[in-house]
Amino acid sequence: EIVLTQSPGSLSLSPGERATLSCRASQSVTGNYVAWFQQKPGQAPRLLFYGASSRATGIPDRFSGSGSGTDFTLTISRLEPEDFAVYYCQQYATSPARYIFGQGTKLEIK
Amino acid sequence: QVQLQESGPGLMKPSGTLSLTCTVSGASISSNYWWSWVRQPPGKGLEWIGEIYHSGTANYNPSLQSRVTMLIDNSKNQFSLRLTSVTAADTAVYYCAKHIEVLGKRGFDYWGQGTLVTVSS
Repeated sequence: EIVLTQSPGSLSLSPGERATLSCRASQSVTGNYVAWFQQKPGQAPRLLFYGASSRATGIPDRFSGSGSGTDFTLTISRLEPEDFAVYYCQQYATSPARYIFGQGTKLEIK
Repeated sequence: QVQLQESGPGLMKPSGTLSLTCTVSGASISSNYWWSWVRQPPGKGLEWIGEIYHSGTANYNPSLQSRVTMLIDNSKNQFSLRLTSVTAADTAVYYCAKHIEVLGKRGFDYWGQGTLVTVSS
């Protein structure tokens, strides 16, 4: 079974800075079926990207998703105060269908 | 606007059976979407439990498969989760979610607010 490892575990940055979050799979992800979610305290996760780079509805273009194979990246070009949250990557596999989440990266205000 | 709302008991005793319902509005549960349950233990990460289609076809997390059943009620626009033999390790916020799928690429684009289920004697 694929294991997703997110790095770093936590990241401390200031508003206006660039954030780069990594998600590495233990084996190649078929079809680049990776999604990214943002979760703020006390809230449900929010879909940011699916298929590694397809932006979900309403997601600002300062967010970008990229990657293929085993290495995937979520980039936030210029951090806004509302971007500080926990970010999860998720892999979708078929046959049988299953969804695996990474352990999360906590993005904190410096 | 699509909305999902979980309902069920907040407190359960060990060895009991957890039953949760997700009521969907703003979208037909009979449409070509999959619907999932995801849980999150307090202070921890997310775990996918299973998914179900309007036909009733379901897929489950292998780690929970022996204890999980998901059902769908198209007439009530609801789907449900049943988890047997619960222990304290099943204490979590349980979310229901709707899938989006475009050209094979999937994500969970709408989520319920979540409901905390605590298993304690």
